[in-house]
Amino acid sequence: EAGVTQFPSHSVIEKGQTVTLRCDPISGHDNLYWYRRVMGKEIKFLLHFVKESKQDESGMPNNRFLAERTGGTYSTLKVQPAELEDSGVYFCASSRYQLVETQYFGPGTRLLVL
Amino acid sequence: EDQVTQSPEALRLQEGESSSLNCSYTVSGLRGLFWYRQDPGKGPEFLFTLYSAGEEKEKERLKATLTKKESFLHITAPKPEDSATYLCAVQARGDYKLSFGAGTTVTVRA
Repeated sequence: EAGVTQFPSHSVIEKGQTVTLRCDPISGHDNLYWYRRVMGKEIKFLLHFVKESKQDESGMPNNRFLAERTGGTYSTLKVQPAELEDSGVYFCASSRYQLVETQYFGPGTRLLVL
Repeated sequence: EDQVTQSPEALRLQEGESSSLNCSYTVSGLRGLFWYRQDPGKGPEFLFTLYSAGEEKEKERLKATLTKKESFLHITAPKPEDSATYLCAVQARGDYKLSFGAGTTVTVRA
């Protein structure tokens, strides 16, 4: 069974530019989560999808962040315009709907905003 | 708000030298406590889930235990390949998101 995949693995952009991160969850996993780790801090929750619906977006830092999950499959997280403080590692995780337990994480996207 | 505190921040061990990592938590009704391992440049890799006080789980040289206020991850006779950052996270009842601690970075020297 393929794990959670994320693209790109690294991204370096300038302040003010737009970046889109992609996450493909494990097949059959209805729950999809985005988390972020900024330098020196712990991993923090951003938002949670159940299929294509946003269940909880309480962790989204501001309206420069937009997450979508088309057709309940892959998800994108767009940052527009990017600011310096958006630098960090963005992780995606997924879990089965009926068994809301283990969240399996992807390798992350390392974002650097210059 | 859920709080998770891990100690120590870093742990250097000699191969074969057993030790324990601590995870103290405050949560409004615990659904589950999770241990993950993270290697440099990779995502967290699931190790264990604990649900209630008194529960224990084992995997190779690792053993996780849970009380009402904390969890311990015991590493018995560690090997260099056990070097990693170990993350603790809690999930509150009625919630889906994980709240993470900052992690303990373990280095095992041969």
